Amino acid sequence: AQSVTQPDIHITVSEGASLELRCNYSYGATPYLFWYVQSPGQGLQLLLKYFSGDTLVQGIKGFEAEFKRSQSSFNLRKPSVHWSDAAEYFCAVGPGNFGNEKLTFGTGTRLTIIP
Amino acid sequence: DAGVIQSPRHEVTEMGQEVTLRCKPISGHNSLFWYRQTMMRGLELLIYFNNNVPIDDSGMPEDRFSAKMPNASFSTLKIQPSEPRDSAVYFCASTNIRGAYGYTFGSGTRLTVV
Repeated sequence: AQSVTQPDIHITVSEGASLELRCNYSYGATPYLFWYVQSPGQGLQLLLKYFSGDTLVQGIKGFEAEFKRSQSSFNLRKPSVHWSDAAEYFCAVGPGNFGNEKLTFGTGTRLTIIP
Repeated sequence: DAGVIQSPRHEVTEMGQEVTLRCKPISGHNSLFWYRQTMMRGLELLIYFNNNVPIDDSGMPEDRFSAKMPNASFSTLKIQPSEPRDSAVYFCASTNIRGAYGYTFGSGTRLTVV
């Protein structure tokens, strides 16, 4: 069965500082990997996704993530955070085959930005 | 495209009453998912449909919950009778058959059962 672990429940960073949110997955084959962001009172918005190919993927809002097969990780990064990045971030894994669309989400990491 | 549309945005009901949540997926998407989000349990997949057919309902908590998708553009999640522990935010999401492109989520329905 597929699973996702986000080890950090809450992270606080200063505005302008760099950010890395951790995500580890468990899946028997090459997975599809996603990062979503949820602002208060809103639904989840897709930040970026990895299917295959280049292991460094770029997303919206200046985020990027790197797939490391050897570490079963897909960490999210941003070189300089803005106050508007304060939100909850979810990592998700899906099976690498079409026809089965079920995604498994991590428990989320809440990001707080301090001035 | 208006995205995934959920209604109502907020629902407050009394224990024992029937509650119906509605979802309109993105046109052309043929998979639809219902999730429940709470502080204690995070995001839980309740049920999902593919081409209007329920594929996996193992997440439906109990018989009080039911979901239907009568056509490609509409789905309902019904709770009857409702209980205070059902209070949560319920999200609907849709994707096309190539689910690898990720889900598009609606804004959710915040349900409060008093």
